[in-house]
Amino acid sequence: DSGVTQTPKHLITATGQRVTLRCSPRSGDLSVYWYQQSLDQGLQFLIQYYNGEERAKGNILERFSAQQFPDLHSELNLSSLELGDSALYFCASSAHPDGNSPLHFGNGTRLTVT
Amino acid sequence: GESVGLHLPTLSVQEGDNSIINCAYSNSASDYFIWYKQESGKGPQFIIDIRSNMDKRQGQRVTVLLNKTVKHLSLQIAATQPGDSAVYFCADPGSRDNYGQNFVFGPGTRLSVLP
Repeated sequence: DSGVTQTPKHLITATGQRVTLRCSPRSGDLSVYWYQQSLDQGLQFLIQYYNGEERAKGNILERFSAQQFPDLHSELNLSSLELGDSALYFCASSAHPDGNSPLHFGNGTRLTVT
Repeated sequence: GESVGLHLPTLSVQEGDNSIINCAYSNSASDYFIWYKQESGKGPQFIIDIRSNMDKRQGQRVTVLLNKTVKHLSLQIAATQPGDSAVYFCADPGSRDNYGQNFVFGPGTRLSVLP
């Protein structure tokens, strides 16, 4: 068990809808990352937060947004959903934001857009 | 540009044999590398990491080798077991700017352990 908790585990919704994915980092970790993993694709970096502040951004769509709250949990909001947004969304956390410590991943949220 | 990739998409080994999974990286400034294991239905699990001031690091049944000259690293699994069947990813911190970082992951190698 990595200590990173993601909810929900599964989400099925229709095109055009909006969903929120939630992540609680490992105890003591201040940095949170979101990754997208599509079928037969690798892990694509979306965004990183550290202690509530955005630190790095990947190829995250404008329809997607995230935030990290004072209690360090994070939410990823996906809006105007399209079929192509169907994927596994992983949250990871690390002790430091600078790439000198490993990421620890949750078990993901599987999003299906119909 | 920066990229981390794996040479082989699939690898099949006999139970009890040793496995070697390879990874090439393109950013010569990369100084930290991690191997992850992802089982079906689960998130990537940290296996072992290595910093660029080392050539080799050993864990329990796993060894990571780093060759900075050719920008290559490998993961060796000794006495491969059925439970080792998974997809293995290598990763490095990508475009680190001392403010934030985005770990870049290779496409992964699927390891299948044959009975």
